[in-house]
Amino acid sequence: AQSVAQPEDQVNVAEGNPLTVKCTYSVSGNPYLFWYVQYPNRGLQFLLKYITGDNLVKGSYGFEAEFNKSQTSFHLKKPSALVSDSALYFCAVRDLQNTGNQFYFGTGTSLTVIP
Amino acid sequence: EAGVTQFPSHSVIEKGQTVTLRCDPISGHDNLYWYRRVMGKEIKFLLHFVKESKQDESGMPNNRFLAERTGGTYSTLKVQPAELEDSGVYFCASSQLGRYQETQYFGPGTRLLVL
Repeated sequence: AQSVAQPEDQVNVAEGNPLTVKCTYSVSGNPYLFWYVQYPNRGLQFLLKYITGDNLVKGSYGFEAEFNKSQTSFHLKKPSALVSDSALYFCAVRDLQNTGNQFYFGTGTSLTVIP
Repeated sequence: EAGVTQFPSHSVIEKGQTVTLRCDPISGHDNLYWYRRVMGKEIKFLLHFVKESKQDESGMPNNRFLAERTGGTYSTLKVQPAELEDSGVYFCASSQLGRYQETQYFGPGTRLLVL
């Protein structure tokens, strides 16, 4: 069955330090992987996606993610965290071959960047 | 370009009442999705419309939920009668048709509380 795991409910990082939000997935077919961010009282905003090609994907607001097929991971990273990055982050996977267009989401990771 | 909009932003109802949620997708997006997040859990797929047709409703929890998309524009999701476990945030998303790598764009969500 398709699933996404975000092992950390909460991540705290000091402003200016690098940040990582972890995501692992399980799909039967080829994964299409996405990261979304939710700011307070806002909807989910698209950050980046991996479909095919280069394993390192760059997205909005300086975020990037690396697709690792052997570890079935798609961790979100940023070299230098900003206080404004504090938000709820969701990893999602789509398995077009088996379950069509629907996304499978993780439970979310709350990121707090400490000034 | 306007994003996905949802109405109402919040709804508080009593058990047994009826609630109707509305979603207006991005203009020109034929794909429309409904998702739900119960407190602290993952965001779960409910159903997928392609224009006015239900493409996949495998995530609908039971027959108390009825989704419609007359004319292939906006969509409504009715819960009748509402139960306590229906509380959560209901998200709508839309995307363009016919692109396998398409990004789903999410609305701000409707926060439903059933008392």
